[in-house]
Amino acid sequence: GENVEQHPSTLSVQEGDSAVIKCTYSDSASNYFPWYKQELGKRPQLIIDIRSNVGEKKDQRIAVTLNKTAKHFSLHITETQPEDSAVYFCAAKGRALTFGSGTRLQVQP
Amino acid sequence: NAGVMQNPRHLVRRRGQEARLRCSPMKGHSHVYWYRQLPEEGLKFMVYLQKENIIDESGMPKERFSAEFPKEGPSILRIQQVVRGDSAAYFCASSPLPGQASVANEKLFFGSGTQLSVL
Repeated sequence: GENVEQHPSTLSVQEGDSAVIKCTYSDSASNYFPWYKQELGKRPQLIIDIRSNVGEKKDQRIAVTLNKTAKHFSLHITETQPEDSAVYFCAAKGRALTFGSGTRLQVQP
Repeated sequence: NAGVMQNPRHLVRRRGQEARLRCSPMKGHSHVYWYRQLPEEGLKFMVYLQKENIIDESGMPKERFSAEFPKEGPSILRIQQVVRGDSAAYFCASSPLPGQASVANEKLFFGSGTQLSVL
């Protein structure tokens, strides 16, 4: 089955700085790669996603890049704000959606 | 559109009892996924169902756990003879029609989860 590795597990940045979270996946058949944000005690919320026929996608301050050959994808958040503080999960979908272990992002004001 | 509805929000059971968790997918969604999340951990896939059919149950323990998604009514995740290690948040997600070449069809939308506590 699919295996998704995510790092770093924790990330602390200053407000206004950029944050980058990286993931690798194992199943070359996976073709859909979403990112979720989860605040404490809340449901995971989809923030951005990309399909395997696209190399990059941007939505305001967040962007995702995908390197299908190397089987890795990354989340980039620019101009971070305190409300970006949360746990972020990457995922890869073949038959079902497999999640990475999460990155706890702390944005220091 | 009310979104993915899960109930109960919190469920307390004693060891050996049964737990039933319910999930109603978003309107128009025909596929349901169940995930388990332990504190400070990621989401672990359990089972993927469509109406009256289990597509993939590779993440579900072979004993004590079962899932169904009947033709009418919500999807049910059932845990028999609960043990303390079953304590976790159980999230349900739904999608429209995965597998077709469209990002819109792939999106999973999560419910608010059921927090199961086993005493």
